[in-house]
Amino acid sequence: EIVMTQSPATLSVSPGERATLSCRASQSVSSNLAWYQQKPGQAPRLLIYGASTRATGIPARFSGSGSGTEFTLTISSLQSEDFAVYYCQQYNNWPITFGQGTRLEIK
Amino acid sequence: QLQLQESGPGLVKPSETLSLTCTVSGGSISSSSYYWGWIRQPPGKGLEWIGSIYYSGSTYYNPSLKSRVTISVDTSKNQFSLKLSSVTAADTAVYYCAREERYCSSTSCYFDWFDPWGQGTLVTVSS
Repeated sequence: EIVMTQSPATLSVSPGERATLSCRASQSVSSNLAWYQQKPGQAPRLLIYGASTRATGIPARFSGSGSGTEFTLTISSLQSEDFAVYYCQQYNNWPITFGQGTRLEIK
Repeated sequence: QLQLQESGPGLVKPSETLSLTCTVSGGSISSSSYYWGWIRQPPGKGLEWIGSIYYSGSTYYNPSLKSRVTISVDTSKNQFSLKLSSVTAADTAVYYCAREERYCSSTSCYFDWFDPWGQGTLVTVSS
């Protein structure tokens, strides 16, 4: 099973600033990686798939990069609605696995 | 717009079987482009993939749960279901159903990302 490790566990950033979240795979997952946003009491929402392709309706301030074992989700100019928990998910190998999440909080 | 809705008991006794159904609306479950999956999230914790099903009935389970999980599909009702047997307190979680992209090459088909998700339903295991 591929282990996905996200860092940091909690990230404090001020509105308007840039946030950079990391996700590392225990072995290569190629570009078969997705990012999700989860707000309290809500289901996860797909942000990025294929490591860098934004899902339908996702603002351009969200961008994904990386391949192999190292991935980054960048949120430029944070808006109030962006403060949430973010998860990465690999789908290169079975079983599908998720990272433990990064909580993005207001500084 | 595709929507998914979980339904089932919110309280299950230890050692019994958890049963949930996901109803799909706004689209057909009988699409060759998708699998249909179950994911759970214990309170305050991360996400765990439980398993997925294709409309033909082919199933794929997380090895960590495989001995206790059964996923089935009813295309006539546009629904798929989850059964988890011999539950313990560790199975207390929000259970989500979701549509899963399916990619096929010339030789194999692969699981992809989940979108959209149902709103989730909390199942508590307690006597």
